[in-house]
Amino acid sequence: DIVMTQSPDSLAVSLGERATINCKSSQSVLYTPNHKNYLAWYQQKPGQPPKLLISWASSRESGVPDRFSASGSGTDFILTISSLQAEDVAVYFCHQYYSSPPTFGGGTKVEIK
Amino acid sequence: EVQLVESGGGLVQPGGSLRLSCAASGFNSNNYAMHWVRQAPGKGLEWISGISWNSGRLNYAESVRGRFTISRDDAKHSLYLQMNSLRAEDSALYYCTKDAGSGSDQREYFFDSWGQGTLVAVSS
Repeated sequence: DIVMTQSPDSLAVSLGERATINCKSSQSVLYTPNHKNYLAWYQQKPGQPPKLLISWASSRESGVPDRFSASGSGTDFILTISSLQAEDVAVYFCHQYYSSPPTFGGGTKVEIK
Repeated sequence: EVQLVESGGGLVQPGGSLRLSCAASGFNSNNYAMHWVRQAPGKGLEWISGISWNSGRLNYAESVRGRFTISRDDAKHSLYLQMNSLRAEDSALYYCTKDAGSGSDQREYFFDSWGQGTLVAVSS
């Protein structure tokens, strides 16, 4: 199974400041024939189910604010919130769908400093 | 609007059984693979089972293989999870999720819709 490791486990950021979350996979999730990284990011607010933010490592879902961006390839990925808002307080998970079983990172809790 | 509504959770003794259901609406569920993902209280996400659009591909996590059975009834736009030989470590919130793909290419994709979940507690 591909192991997904997120860092940090939690971070506190001031409103309007940048938050950066890292995700590392134990093997590459880049499928060379189509040059796509099989990596998604989800946001889970307290008491709610996860919500898809990003697919294919960097493709933002419709309706997701553009302060959310993601990048990376192969085994190393980053989710960035460029200007943290109060409503962004949540746990963020990365997810690889390159190979079965699909696996998730342990989550990163984002709080307001 | 896509809606996934889970039901069937509850308190069960170790070794017991439960059947979870998920009612899908707002999209043609017959065209998509569907999955169950669980989350123990205060913990992360664990994919446990998936089924392709035509039920031709059934997939299970090692932790539940042989105990859990996934199925779907497309006429009822419903997904099911039969859980047998339940253990304390199966206690979790169980989410029904929609795959972005059909599963016809023998792979899972990202999960673009999630239900609110149904809670399973295994305890004596």
